[in-house]
Amino acid sequence: NAGVTQTPKFQVLKTGQSMTLQCAQDMNHEYMSWYRQDPGMGLRLIHYSVGAGITDQGEVPNGYNVSRSTTEDFPLRLLSAAPSQTSVYFCASREGAYYGYTFGSGTRLTVV
Amino acid sequence: EDQVTQSPEALRLQEGESSSLNCSYTVSGLRGLFWYRQDPGKGPEFLFTLYSAGEEKEKERLKATLTKKESFLHITAPKPEDSATYLCAVLPQGGSEKLVFGKGTKLTVNP
Repeated sequence: NAGVTQTPKFQVLKTGQSMTLQCAQDMNHEYMSWYRQDPGMGLRLIHYSVGAGITDQGEVPNGYNVSRSTTEDFPLRLLSAAPSQTSVYFCASREGAYYGYTFGSGTRLTVV
Repeated sequence: EDQVTQSPEALRLQEGESSSLNCSYTVSGLRGLFWYRQDPGKGPEFLFTLYSAGEEKEKERLKATLTKKESFLHITAPKPEDSATYLCAVLPQGGSEKLVFGKGTKLTVNP
């Protein structure tokens, strides 16, 4: 039981490049979310999903896309990377309404 | 706007010196309040969920309590391994999963 797996762990992008951050969970959780964590800002919600085929925006969605074609996977796509997207990204999942989120170990992204 | 404020920002304790961390929140309605622990370079680790005023949860040296406007995380006789950043988050009423986090309290326990 691996929990929430994020890849890659580290990534450096040039401004304007696109990429996909991968997130997979093997716990059959319905709810999944993406957060970014920046110094002094705390964790901020980017996008979330309450089941396969259902996604919605969080607090800071601009510049990011998501889709949820399966229960297990919830990739985050950066369309055209900007230095302001330099951050640590966390994916999380939870079983349902009365459970806490389980977080992955994070992806540290630097945009130069 | 839903908000979560944690205090203090940082706290230094001696081993065995008990204390409390505060999480105050303003939401239109509370569906749940969550406490997490985060070690450097790692993702947050879930500790507790609280749902209604008066509720308490315990785990080893940690005890979380909830009132209508705030939650406390009490740490009894802390050890150096309790050093971490403790995060509080609230889930407002409604059908969304828009969890709102505070900025955390960085706890250091000296031996």
